[in-house]
Amino acid sequence: DVHLVQSGAEVKKPGESLKISCKASGYNFTTYWITWVRQMPGKGLEWMGIIHPDDSDTIYRGDYDTMYSPSFEGQVTISVDKSLSTVYLQWNSLKASDTGIYYCARQKGAVVNGHAEYWGQGTLVIVSS
Amino acid sequence: DIQMTQSPTSLSASVGDRVTITCQASQDIGKYLNWYQQKPGKVPQLVIYDASTLQTGVPSRFSGSGYGTDFIFTISSLQPEDVATYYCQQCDSLPLIFGGGTKVEIK
Repeated sequence: DVHLVQSGAEVKKPGESLKISCKASGYNFTTYWITWVRQMPGKGLEWMGIIHPDDSDTIYRGDYDTMYSPSFEGQVTISVDKSLSTVYLQWNSLKASDTGIYYCARQKGAVVNGHAEYWGQGTLVIVSS
Repeated sequence: DIQMTQSPTSLSASVGDRVTITCQASQDIGKYLNWYQQKPGKVPQLVIYDASTLQTGVPSRFSGSGYGTDFIFTISSLQPEDVATYYCQQCDSLPLIFGGGTKVEIK
């Protein structure tokens, strides 16, 4: 069975750094794109970015194909540890407006023309002084 | 970026009613439109992809149609377990924008 298990809830102060994780199991990790979605309190879904966990067939050898929404470019970093089958979402300096639930999801199909068929359980991030 | 306009933002209907949600893209996205269901306090789940293909395991009372810029999501006979917020998402080009959501409640 496919599972995406995310790290636990976090409470942080503005200006602090944070890295949350999404561990995949039950399938060939390097075959599917992983996407991140934000949901602010009481609000809708926002697509943040996407990464392909296979660095063996990319334009830039040794790098991972990663794409960001313009709304999140420069605000977060998406990375991967292939050896741990884990994708990460990282902030260098949190803001109160980063408060929300963050979901990872496995994308079936290409980076476009695909769909998020398996989701993690979500990680609640609270940023408050 | 492609903008996705969903309507209505909320609706209330009786059990057994036919429910329709629309989603309009700001430019032609072909068939590349997904629909997700998010029940209160739960994780989003894929319901329909490629505008009209039902995800495995989803009840047949759910359906989708449309192509280009105008799409429709239908629940043919609303059930209590369908109470949720429904989101469309274009997947034709990056960024993969979601619509604002439609909250469906039972009258």
